[in-house]
Amino acid sequence: SQTIHQWPATLVQPVGSPLSLECTVEGTSNPNLYWYRQAAGRGLQLLFYSVGIGQISSEVPQNLSASRPQDRQFILSSKKLLLSDSGFYLCAWSVLGNQPQHFGDGTRLSIL
Amino acid sequence: AQSVTQLGSHVSVSEGALVLLRCNYSSSVPPYLFWYVQYPNQGLQLLLKYTSAATLVKGINGFEAEFKKSETSFHLTKPSAHMSDAAEYFCAVSVALYSSASKIIFGSGTRLSIRP
Repeated sequence: SQTIHQWPATLVQPVGSPLSLECTVEGTSNPNLYWYRQAAGRGLQLLFYSVGIGQISSEVPQNLSASRPQDRQFILSSKKLLLSDSGFYLCAWSVLGNQPQHFGDGTRLSIL
Repeated sequence: AQSVTQLGSHVSVSEGALVLLRCNYSSSVPPYLFWYVQYPNQGLQLLLKYTSAATLVKGINGFEAEFKKSETSFHLTKPSAHMSDAAEYFCAVSVALYSSASKIIFGSGTRLSIRP
């Protein structure tokens, strides 16, 4: 069966520090991969998606970037964190087309 | 553009009572609709999905939803609420990005509380 792992579960970082969140999927090949952010009291917003290695699409302009160095690995990064980057970050995967997305347990990021 | 609207940001029911969470969608094409549940500090778990087969969709944990095209609705119900149902529920629609990818557009969520 397919599983998705995100780490770390929680992270506290100072403003201006770098960020790297990692997501890996097991049990499937060539999945579509997604990064969402859930800000406090708000819904989920799609940040990035990827349909293959090295293929990254951004949904909203922001301080973050994403990379997919391997088929089942998706990384969310920032060179300098802002206070507004705080939130709950969720990674998800899906197969082709309009199939449901399956989510990891998320990373709660707090910026001080 | 496709979207979903959840009516009521907070719903409170007594244990054993009917649960009804409302969702209306907007779509120019036959929609793919989902309900997800999120427990505190956890990711989202798929409850059920509508993909144009049966209009009454049964999901996990005793939940079901009925797709009504005439009302553009996809309400979530459960006959008898249990304390463990307390969580945030999201209605969502899938939007095609291009040939192999899609993105999920989520509603704003409904927090379900269960009274003993």
